[in-house]
Amino acid sequence: QQQVKQSPQSLIVQKGGISIINCAYENTAFDYFPWYQQFPGKGPALLIAIRPDVSEKKEGRFTISFNKSAKQFSLHIMDSQPGDSATYFCAADSGGYQKVTFGTGTKLQVIP
Amino acid sequence: ETGVTQSPTHLIKTRGQQVTLRCSSQSGHNTVSWYQQALGQGPQFIFQYYREEENGRGNFPPRFSGLQFPNYSSELNVNALELDDSALYLCASSRQGQGPETQYFGPGTRLLVL
Repeated sequence: QQQVKQSPQSLIVQKGGISIINCAYENTAFDYFPWYQQFPGKGPALLIAIRPDVSEKKEGRFTISFNKSAKQFSLHIMDSQPGDSATYFCAADSGGYQKVTFGTGTKLQVIP
Repeated sequence: ETGVTQSPTHLIKTRGQQVTLRCSSQSGHNTVSWYQQALGQGPQFIFQYYREEENGRGNFPPRFSGLQFPNYSSELNVNALELDDSALYLCASSRQGQGPETQYFGPGTRLLVL
């Protein structure tokens, strides 16, 4: 049972453009929504995270938008750079138990 | 780079064999979680160990088992290997009660079952 759905599967963006990745969840018990960045040969690294009491969180070029009623959240990468090329995973956790449910991933390629 | 290390980095086994993967947690962390990441998929939670006991399990059969040692390092054991067990196995360490944002992943062990 896939509890976190992610789209698109892959994304190609021009340098300087905006990358947008979308996720939807089903389990209303989720109360923590992180995004991870994974480079080839590496484990996932936490990029940015949000809790459902806020609708938006921004850290540098990365912004999470959260819609609790629609059970959807998205990652926006502003001014995308070639170094942002990686696989991005949305995820969710509940109760702080650190047993994270991941989406299927989006492979982002930023071309010069 | 996180302080989480895993060994070996790569492993090739044949169907029916048994395998043991190892994880050393980051200093100050007392909880280890294991994830399976199939090619092109997101990681899936296998189980978590805290205070040397299993503290939650995902949808994985009993042939997936683990241990946690007094120094908080951990092992993942898989018996009767199947072809579908081919994947990247990730461990993540954290400190219980300090929130999921403190969870750090290791680089993984890539297992190929032939």
